[in-house]
Amino acid sequence: ETGVTQTPRHLVMGMTNKKSLKCEQHLGHNAMYWYKQSAKKPLELMFVYNFKEQTENNSVPSRFSPECPNSSHLFLHLHTLQPEDSALYLCASGGGGNYGYTFGSGTRLTVV
Amino acid sequence: SQQGEEDPQALSIQEGENATMNCSYKTSINNLQWYRQNSGRGLVHLILIRSNEREKHSGRLRVTLDTSKKSSSLLITASRAADTASYFCATDRGGTSYGKLTFGQGTILTVHP
Repeated sequence: ETGVTQTPRHLVMGMTNKKSLKCEQHLGHNAMYWYKQSAKKPLELMFVYNFKEQTENNSVPSRFSPECPNSSHLFLHLHTLQPEDSALYLCASGGGGNYGYTFGSGTRLTVV
Repeated sequence: SQQGEEDPQALSIQEGENATMNCSYKTSINNLQWYRQNSGRGLVHLILIRSNEREKHSGRLRVTLDTSKKSSSLLITASRAADTASYFCATDRGGTSYGKLTFGQGTILTVHP
């Protein structure tokens, strides 16, 4: 375990379903991130939260809705997704400064 | 434009050999980081080099940074089968982009026993 825990590890959902991804960190980091990793594409930053406040929405469609109730938890609420949204969704946290970031193991999402 | 492009896209070597991966980027950076990803899992931070540093070591890893050429290289010495993974460079531009990493497409390294 890296200190960043993501659940579930795998998720299959229909296009009309509503589901949520969860991320939890107890590393004392103030910033948390959602990234999307699709086949043959670089990791794409989706959302950034600093001290529970969203500071970045990288033009993500509204069918992805993030929530950060506190600095240790981050959610990604999903609804009416498309098959092209199938990807590995990675959560990360970082303490800022010249330090690396800690990633979770990801949620492998398949939209059918 | 894509920040952070790795070269080669794939590298296959024998155990014990050295592996060198390169990364190029387009804009000024605050730091550059290297990550490893094992088959569909999360990324593991390997090493970070700041824009005012030229070389950094960590165990069997050696990273260089040439800001004039906007390029970096990652050297893994005496490779092991367990080093088989995808390796990504990521740039942190600092300023208003602080903490927002931009990744390349990665190098797939295969180390044969």
